Order: sequence, then C-alpha cells, then structure tokens
Amino acid sequence: NAGVTQTPKFRVLKTGQSMTLLCAQDMNHEYMYWYRQDPGMGLRLIHYSVGEGTTAKGEVPDGYNVSRLKKQNFLLGLESAAPSQTSVYFCASSTQGLSYEQYFGPGTRLTVT
Amino acid sequence: AQTVTQSQPEMSVQEAETVTLSCTYDTSENNYYLFWYKQPPSRQMILVIRQEAYKQQNATENRFSVNFQKAAKSFSLKISDSQLGDTAMYFCAFMKPHGGTSYGKLTFGQGTILTVHP
Repeated sequence: NAGVTQTPKFRVLKTGQSMTLLCAQDMNHEYMYWYRQDPGMGLRLIHYSVGEGTTAKGEVPDGYNVSRLKKQNFLLGLESAAPSQTSVYFCASSTQGLSYEQYFGPGTRLTVT
Repeated sequence: AQTVTQSQPEMSVQEAETVTLSCTYDTSENNYYLFWYKQPPSRQMILVIRQEAYKQQNATENRFSVNFQKAAKSFSLKISDSQLGDTAMYFCAFMKPHGGTSYGKLTFGQGTILTVHP
C-alpha cells in the first residue's frame, strides 16, 4: 500500500517547455487535488477532481490543465512553463467519511528557468 | 470565502518545554473541520490533529492538543514536552465537509516554522 505517489520528484524546465506531473493513489479515493506551495503563502489549490472523468478549477488554475482518465491517477500539465510556475507541487486524495483527512504525496519541486 | 491566518512566521522552544502556535480563521459556515499539518524538512505533509466544529471538546493526540474557540474563530495548537523531531513547518487548515457544492478543499494558513532547540 503506497498511498499517494508523485512522479517526478524534481524537474528543471526552460521557459516555454511543457511537462506532465503524475499523481497516483491506491486507496480507491474519489477526490483528488493538486496544490502548489510557495514561500510565505501556504498551499493553494490549483485543480481538483471529484471522480473519474471529472475535473474542476481551484484558486490558481491559470497555466495548468488536468485530466483524470482513471480513478487512481490525476495528471497535472504545464503546456508552456513560466518562471512564475517555479514551486513545489503536491497531490492529495481523500474520501467522504468521518475523518475527512487528505493524504498527501511527497511533492515535486519544479524550477522554471 | 474562507481565510486562515497564522500570525507567527517563526517560533522557537527548548526541548521538553511547551509551545503554542496560533491560528485564526474566518467563515460564515457552522459546520466545518480544522486541521494542523506538520511539514518537516523532508517536505512530507503529515496530519497532526483534527477538530470537528460541532464538537465542543478540544481534540488531543498524545503531546498535541488544541484550544478551539468557535465564537472567537481561533484554533491554536499546543505541543507539550517538545522534541527535536517536532522541528518543522506547521500549517493550520480549514475544510468544509464533502457533499453538495463542497468538495473537501483545504484552505491553508501561511505556516509557522517551529524550531526545537536542544
């Protein structure tokens, strides 16, 4: 039982390049989330999904796209990376229930030069 | 929209002593959940403690306890018998329950860096 995993752990991109971050969970959770963490600002929600085949925008969606073709996977795409997207990206998953706990992946540190 | 404020960017404490981290929030909801997450240098987000707003009793988890003041919209974290392994960034977070138009989004505060000195 791996929980939530993220690929890759680190990446350096040049401005204008594209990439996809992969999040996978093996807990059969319905809800999945992508956050970004910047210094002094806590974590902010980029996009989220309430089930397979559904996605929606969070607080800071501009410049990102997502897809959830399979329940266990949630992909975050950057079509044309910008230096402002330099950040640490976290994926999380959760399910309805008494605990309401979100389980986080280990994070991906992305640097855009 | 909900907001969460942590007014202490940094705190320090001596090993074995007690420290309290502050958090205030703003919401018009009556039913919600509050959390404290710990982020050590490894970057992993670890749930420390949770509080349901409808429960008057303050949550406790071993050395960690909260002081939940619903009317004042305050949710502080007390760490007793501090240990070197408690050194981390601590985030306070707010959540509306899943269901209806809510999707379990977490709203985070800015974080407090806690350093435990030997």
